[in-house]
Amino acid sequence: DTAVSQTPKYLVTQMGNDKSIKCEQNLGHDTMYWYKQDSKKFLKIMFSYNNKELIINETVPNRFSPKSPDKAHLNLHINSLELGDSAVYFCASSQVRSYGYTFGSGTRLTVV
Amino acid sequence: TQLLEQSPQFLSIQEGENLTVYCNSSSVFSSLQWYRQEPGEGPVLLVTVVTGGEVKKLKRLTFQFGDARKDSSLHITAAQPGDTGLYLCAGQLPADKLIFGTGTRLQVFP
Repeated sequence: DTAVSQTPKYLVTQMGNDKSIKCEQNLGHDTMYWYKQDSKKFLKIMFSYNNKELIINETVPNRFSPKSPDKAHLNLHINSLELGDSAVYFCASSQVRSYGYTFGSGTRLTVV
Repeated sequence: TQLLEQSPQFLSIQEGENLTVYCNSSSVFSSLQWYRQEPGEGPVLLVTVVTGGEVKKLKRLTFQFGDARKDSSLHITAAQPGDTGLYLCAGQLPADKLIFGTGTRLQVFP
């Protein structure tokens, strides 16, 4: 009965590979997000989708492509992985105009 | 670039002490949220403050939103080891954009 679930929890891959992270929420929220947390624990927004429509697209390399097949799912595909992509990626959801986000437990991506 | 500065960055105290964490910005926010994050987990929402000057209390935690809605503080009374974690403030901007503070890592020793 996890509210926001991400898979996988850990991902170790070589430079140049393509990988995907999946996210699902069962809260009925309208908006979903991807955040990146760096080694200093700073959380930075990458994307947000409202009801399958892209709302926020921060200055993220176009190797990162979010996809939302429906409002309960938001996946993140990363092409040509680089060492600097190593971080923890968090999916989150919220109800539009509500005041609180629910986060998943994160995906630790390590690029070697 | 919008920035939310938190201070202190690190805080190490004994059980029973009081502490205050500050969150400051030059931007005005429609709301200010506080989260706590534990290792290997995502941030968990503690509280949201919406009105300038608003004060909310959650047991031993007191949250205040500045009058101008640019800053906030978190005060913990009689800290316990279970309060240990990373505390993050986050400001809500237009277009549903939530930006996070730089974080305060709290360690409470028994």
